[in-house]
Amino acid sequence: QKEVEQNSGPLSVPEGAIASLNCTYSDRGSQSFFWYRQYSGKSPELIMFIYSNGDKEDGRFTAQLNKASQYVSLLIRDSQPSDSATYLCAVNVEYGNKLVFGSGTILRVKS
Amino acid sequence: GAGVSQSPRYKVTKRGQDVTLRCDPISSHATLYWYQQALGQGPEFLTYFNYEAQPDKSGLPSDRFSAERPEGSISTLTIQRTEQRDSAMYRCASSLGTGNTGELFFGEGSRLTVL
Repeated sequence: QKEVEQNSGPLSVPEGAIASLNCTYSDRGSQSFFWYRQYSGKSPELIMFIYSNGDKEDGRFTAQLNKASQYVSLLIRDSQPSDSATYLCAVNVEYGNKLVFGSGTILRVKS
Repeated sequence: GAGVSQSPRYKVTKRGQDVTLRCDPISSHATLYWYQQALGQGPEFLTYFNYEAQPDKSGLPSDRFSAERPEGSISTLTIQRTEQRDSAMYRCASSLGTGNTGELFFGEGSRLTVL
């Protein structure tokens, strides 16, 4: 079992819709969770982080964490074509600075 | 520097040759990471440094891979006796503190092709 699992997609949504991206992780002791966006041919960039159970909102983005279910999600409201990218879920393992990434979900927003 | 700088951006080498990749992190960033990213995959952890210490190198695929950061700033990743399966994008990232943080700033990467 991989430490961080994501559906590879592609996930296609129409412009203006809500995109929902999901991630599960195996290390029950993980404390910190991150979403990175990676445009084609570019480097990953951090867009959201969440440490506590519940929701965290930042503009059009909402990160959701459920530690009991070992589940993290990212909601993108009012999706735009410029949101089309690969979204990488990343999790800090319990000890140290090791940050483990999932394989990413490709999001396509159709105008 | 203002951002994470990696060199070379592209490297083509023949199987069996040694390759060294260089990373210059953001000034004052304590932690430096190396990742390997295959096409269509997420970054795979190789190793990281807190200043010059290397607490975790569990992701290095074999003893052909080594990394160092002797003065706690610039780092190099060396692959000895390269194999075709080593072909990938190698990404360096840095973060400000040494605590458990995931705010990484990535460089543009070094694309390695082994013929």
